[in-house]
Amino acid sequence: EAGVTQSPTHLIKTRGQQATLRCSPISGHTSVYWYQQALGLGLQFLLWYDEGEERNRGNFPPRFSGRQFPNYSSELNVNALELEDSALYLCASSFQDRGIGELFFGEGSRLTVL
Amino acid sequence: AQSVAQPEDQVNVAEGNPLTVKCTYSVSGNPYLFWYVQYPNRGLQFLLKYITGDNLVKGSYGFEAEFNKSQTSFHLKKPSALVSDSALYFCAVRERAAGNKLTFGGGTRVLVKP
Repeated sequence: EAGVTQSPTHLIKTRGQQATLRCSPISGHTSVYWYQQALGLGLQFLLWYDEGEERNRGNFPPRFSGRQFPNYSSELNVNALELEDSALYLCASSFQDRGIGELFFGEGSRLTVL
Repeated sequence: AQSVAQPEDQVNVAEGNPLTVKCTYSVSGNPYLFWYVQYPNRGLQFLLKYITGDNLVKGSYGFEAEFNKSQTSFHLKKPSALVSDSALYFCAVRERAAGNKLTFGGGTRVLVKP
């Protein structure tokens, strides 16, 4: 069974540009979570989507946004890129209605802002 | 708010010796606790979780964790460390009313020396 897949693996942008990151969850999972892992800052929660709706949002500015598609895949958009947006962006998926489940993570997309 | 703390940035241990990675938690109500491992330039891999029941939880790759309610701790342990266990370890707690969203500790880097 395929795990969580993320694309692209690496992305290089310049300040002010926009970045789009994509995530495909494990088959059957309806929830997708996005995390930012910046150097020295640990894992910071960005967004949670379930059944196509944004359910919860972390403490990030509005230029971080996303969506979830009918097939449960998800997209994270970062507008007006700043240097401090350079980080590894991790996507995770889980079942939503099967008790206390763990998150399954993808390998991440590394965004570098120059 | 739920939170976990990992008091050690790095743990050094000789191969074959016991490994312990510390985690303390602060939650209201029953805690749902998790351990993940991250190898260089990779996503997070699930090791184990505590939901309820036995205080000693067994997980993947020979790891186990001990839940201690009185000390609000959930330390990760391995009886005999391998060089291949060298990685970044994260403790996490499940947030209330946020699906399976996890809040992570800052991480502990484990270095196992031959």
